[in-house]
Amino acid sequence: GENVEQHPSTLSVQEGDSAVIKCTYSDSASNYFPWYKQELGKRPQLIIDIRSNVGEKKDQRIAVTLNKTAKHFSLHITETQPEDSAVYFCAASNSNSGYALNFGKGTSLLVTP
Amino acid sequence: DGGITQSPKYLFRKEGQNVTLSCEQNLNHDAMYWYRQDPGQGLRLIYYSQIVNDFQKGDIAEGYSVSREKKESFPLTVTSAQKNPTAFYLCASTIRSGNTIYFGEGSWLTVV
Repeated sequence: GENVEQHPSTLSVQEGDSAVIKCTYSDSASNYFPWYKQELGKRPQLIIDIRSNVGEKKDQRIAVTLNKTAKHFSLHITETQPEDSAVYFCAASNSNSGYALNFGKGTSLLVTP
Repeated sequence: DGGITQSPKYLFRKEGQNVTLSCEQNLNHDAMYWYRQDPGQGLRLIYYSQIVNDFQKGDIAEGYSVSREKKESFPLTVTSAQKNPTAFYLCASTIRSGNTIYFGEGSWLTVV
């Protein structure tokens, strides 16, 4: 099945700096790659997603890039703010498992003022 | 997100007991999923269902069972065969496979 690796597991940045989280996936059939933000004790919330026919997508301070050849994708957050502090999960899905999401283990992001 | 309701939010189970977690959605979504999250860990797939009366095992189905008798409902039973059931359980759904997946608010299960 699909295996998603996520790095780093923890990331600490100063307010205003950029943060980058990287993920790799194993199944070349995967074609949908969402990113979720989860605050303590709450449900994951979708922040951005990308499909395999696109190389990059941006939404204000958040961007995602995808390299299908290398099977990796990254989340970029610019001008970080303290409210960006949370755990971020990448995921990948394909038709082999009903498009169920296969998640990375998460990155705990801390933005210090 | 607001259309996926999980209950109860907190549940305590004695060892050897079966418990059932409810998941209801009013979004007319076809596919539904159950995930387990352990503290400081990612989400792992337990079961998923793409249509009524059909479901498939995920990566960690042992000790769990599900049913999908109605489109809007996908209950999860944690059986006594699940040796370490204490976790945060998340139900999710999507209008059809390959589209954005939304999560319910989750259920905390603790074995006492």
